[in-house]
Amino acid sequence: EVQLVESGGGLVEPGGSLRLSCEASGFTFRSYSMNWVRQAPGKGLEWVSYINMNTPSTYYADSVKGRFTISRDNAKNSLFLQMNNLRDEDTAVYYCVRDWTWAFDVWGQGTVVTVSP
Amino acid sequence: QSALTQPPSASGSRGQSVTISCTGTNSDVGGYNYVSWFQQHPGKAPKLMIYAVTERPSGVPDRFSGSKSGNTASLTVSGLQPEDEADYYCSSYAGSFTWVFGGGTKLTVL
Repeated sequence: EVQLVESGGGLVEPGGSLRLSCEASGFTFRSYSMNWVRQAPGKGLEWVSYINMNTPSTYYADSVKGRFTISRDNAKNSLFLQMNNLRDEDTAVYYCVRDWTWAFDVWGQGTVVTVSP
Repeated sequence: QSALTQPPSASGSRGQSVTISCTGTNSDVGGYNYVSWFQQHPGKAPKLMIYAVTERPSGVPDRFSGSKSGNTASLTVSGLQPEDEADYYCSSYAGSFTWVFGGGTKLTVL
């Protein structure tokens, strides 16, 4: 079964840092580009970051550029998102998402990040 | 990276058809044939329903169809079923390895 499982979410104060992880299984992870997509409480989806299968090509939404860093470890079938200088508006469910022909075809269950004093 | 425009709500009776629009610009929807549609039930992760404007992933009922004209893409759900009641989001590739989503449409099956 193709599966993505996120972890690492939690409560953090403004200005703090958090590192999200995503473990992939059921497919050849190194053959796919990957993304992080987030959803603030009661709001819509927002694309956050993309990493292609051959690092270090990485791309970011303007809202997180300079604060977030996406990376991957193909040997461990894992995707990461290092989030620094977190703001209130970063509070969201963060989804790990597989890219397939410029579409987001497989989603994890999400991990919750809450930024609050 | 401005969001695509979707109507906040849509509705239809069981068995009827409903169409949800998604309007962007020449830099996203109008510039690429990489529009996708996602279904999201409360508390669940989004599910890909349409990709590349008109293509359906395996397992998605053929009641779901997509189209595009200029800067506006559309999702049509035919033969509405109670399980189709959900939030629907469009997305488009926007160039330079960036993507943009619509604000979402809440579909109610009457």
